Amino acid sequence: RKEVEQDPGPFNVPEGATVAFNCTYSNSASQSFFWYRQDCRKEPKLLMSVYSSGNEDGRFTAQLNRASQYISLLIRDSKLSDSATYLCVVKRGNTGKLIFGQGTTLQVKP
Amino acid sequence: EPEVTQTPSHQVTQMGQEVILRCVPISNHLYFYWYRQILGQKVEFLVSFYNNEISEKSEIFDDQFSVERPDGSNFTLKIRSTKLEDSAMYFCASSDYGRNSSSDTQYFGPGTRLTVL
Repeated sequence: RKEVEQDPGPFNVPEGATVAFNCTYSNSASQSFFWYRQDCRKEPKLLMSVYSSGNEDGRFTAQLNRASQYISLLIRDSKLSDSATYLCVVKRGNTGKLIFGQGTTLQVKP
Repeated sequence: EPEVTQTPSHQVTQMGQEVILRCVPISNHLYFYWYRQILGQKVEFLVSFYNNEISEKSEIFDDQFSVERPDGSNFTLKIRSTKLEDSAMYFCASSDYGRNSSSDTQYFGPGTRLTVL
């Protein structure tokens, strides 16, 4: 079983749509949780950290459910520029090691 | 905004050759990492480095791999005898926390695309 699992998609949505991505992680010792964004052939860039209380950054909302080992990302009012691969990432252990999911591809169309 | 830089952006080498990938982390960061991403696959952790020593390494990071911080600014990944399956994008990352903080952020460099022929 993969340690971090995501639906690879692709998700094809029109501009203005709301889209939600889900992710599950298998190791209950995971300590920190993140969503990164990766554009084609580029480096991962931090989108937002994810906290148990849920957190919002503009059009983006992230949720963490530790009991279910489940992480979500909601994007409201999708823009063309949101087209990318969204990586669910967990940090485990005391060395800062990040464990990545396969990524979910989003394509926003006009 | 400070950023992680990596050179070269693309390295082509023959199987069996040694390669050195170079990274300049963000200047006040103390924790350094290498990851790799084979085309079409997920990003995979290779090694973490703190206080001039490896703090964790993955199964991928075998005896053919080594890391070094030769001076105060560079962080290098060496592959002694490259194999075809080493072809991938190699990302360097750095952070200013890493061990016990839940709010640390790892900043990634733009990557070096390694092609082994």
